[in-house]
Amino acid sequence: QKEVEQNSGPLSVPEGAIASLNCTYSDRGSQSFFWYRQYSGKSPELIMFIYSNGDKEDGRFTAQLNKASQYVSLLIRDSQPSDSATYLCAVIRGNTPLVFGKGTRLSVIA
Amino acid sequence: GAGVSQSPSNKVTEKGKDVELRCDPISGHTALYWYRQRLGQGLEFLIYFQGNSAPDKSGLPSDRFSAERTGESVSTLTIQRTQQEDSAVYLCASRPGLAGGEQYFGPGTRLTVT
Repeated sequence: QKEVEQNSGPLSVPEGAIASLNCTYSDRGSQSFFWYRQYSGKSPELIMFIYSNGDKEDGRFTAQLNKASQYVSLLIRDSQPSDSATYLCAVIRGNTPLVFGKGTRLSVIA
Repeated sequence: GAGVSQSPSNKVTEKGKDVELRCDPISGHTALYWYRQRLGQGLEFLIYFQGNSAPDKSGLPSDRFSAERTGESVSTLTIQRTQQEDSAVYLCASRPGLAGGEQYFGPGTRLTVT
């Protein structure tokens, strides 16, 4: 059973702080890793993807991948109230469907 | 089009009626997925199309659910004899497919069964 685990939260951080969202996965053969942001009542929006071990930065977002530990994380620097949403981690192996975690709800407090 | 489109955006139907939901993927994307998301819940995989291969129907919850795809374009998800527990947002997503790449979601269809 391929699984992706996330803490459901809510994760509360003050405005301006760094939010750290974590995800573990069970399939060691997973090759690609994605982070989606989902606002209430909206569909998931792709915000980051990472394929290789290490860090990948895009603006205020940094994705970190450690395949040996089967761990992927998303850091949001200078968190804003508009970052408050549910963040979904997803992994894929080959051409099979993405496996999604249940998401972590982030609340950024002004 | 620029992104994945779905129609209708909202559908209210009476219990026992059939409904059809439509998805138009990003042009050139060979992989197409349908998901269901109940209120406050995670994504539930329903079905996956990849090019001309047989679809992966492993997520369909019952034989009342079926989906078709015309080549590498439009897909329709059909729910027969709708039940109240079918009320949810139905999301479609597409991905380039065998070439890998990122998966993008459509805006979803909110289905309410009364």
